[in-house]
Amino acid sequence: GAVVSQHPSRVICKSGTSVKIECRSLDFQATTMFWYRQFPKQSLMLMATSNEGSKATYEQGVEKDKFLINHASLTLSTLTVTSAHPEDSSFYICSAREVQASYEQYFGPGTRLTVT
Amino acid sequence: AQSVAQPEDQVNVAEGNPLTVKCTYSVSGNPYLFWYVQYPNRGLQFLLKYITGDNLVKGSYGFEAEFNKSQTSFHLKKPSALVSDSALYFCAVRDSRSFQKLVFGTGTRLLVSP
Repeated sequence: GAVVSQHPSRVICKSGTSVKIECRSLDFQATTMFWYRQFPKQSLMLMATSNEGSKATYEQGVEKDKFLINHASLTLSTLTVTSAHPEDSSFYICSAREVQASYEQYFGPGTRLTVT
Repeated sequence: AQSVAQPEDQVNVAEGNPLTVKCTYSVSGNPYLFWYVQYPNRGLQFLLKYITGDNLVKGSYGFEAEFNKSQTSFHLKKPSALVSDSALYFCAVRDSRSFQKLVFGTGTRLLVSP
């Protein structure tokens, strides 16, 4: 149980284009989903917290207009990187918090974004 | 602010030997502590957590962690390491300002040699 999927696993896009990453909780309902960014050999940096049916809460320094987050249902959150630049290339990981389990986050497998 | 420190960038151990990956924490109030493991190009997998109760917490894949309040530590341990345990390990603490958020350490790479 408690499986989180991400799609795509890898994506390459050109500078200036937008790319959407999906995060799904497959066998549980997630009122809250989190989006992280991980640079090579570094820890996870929380970008935003996404609550179903409401606007995402962004961490300081994260551009909300560049990283659009939508959490339209209890099983799906999307992260759209708009007008991508090479410096947006990174490993993006989502996690979901199960409604019944207050403290655990279940992580997706991550999406490797490369902007050329 | 809540924080965790993982003082070792890398830990090397021979297969069959016991392993320890260190983590110390700084929190206000009761600590809620977690260990996660990350394999290459993968997301994080939950290993174990300490919320309350016994100081020795048992988790997945034979791992355990010992909560030590006086030393503010939550070291990850395993009695006998496997080559397949080689991965990146993260300690995390729940943010007391936002009960939902986790604050992660910088990670420790564990390398188990045959």
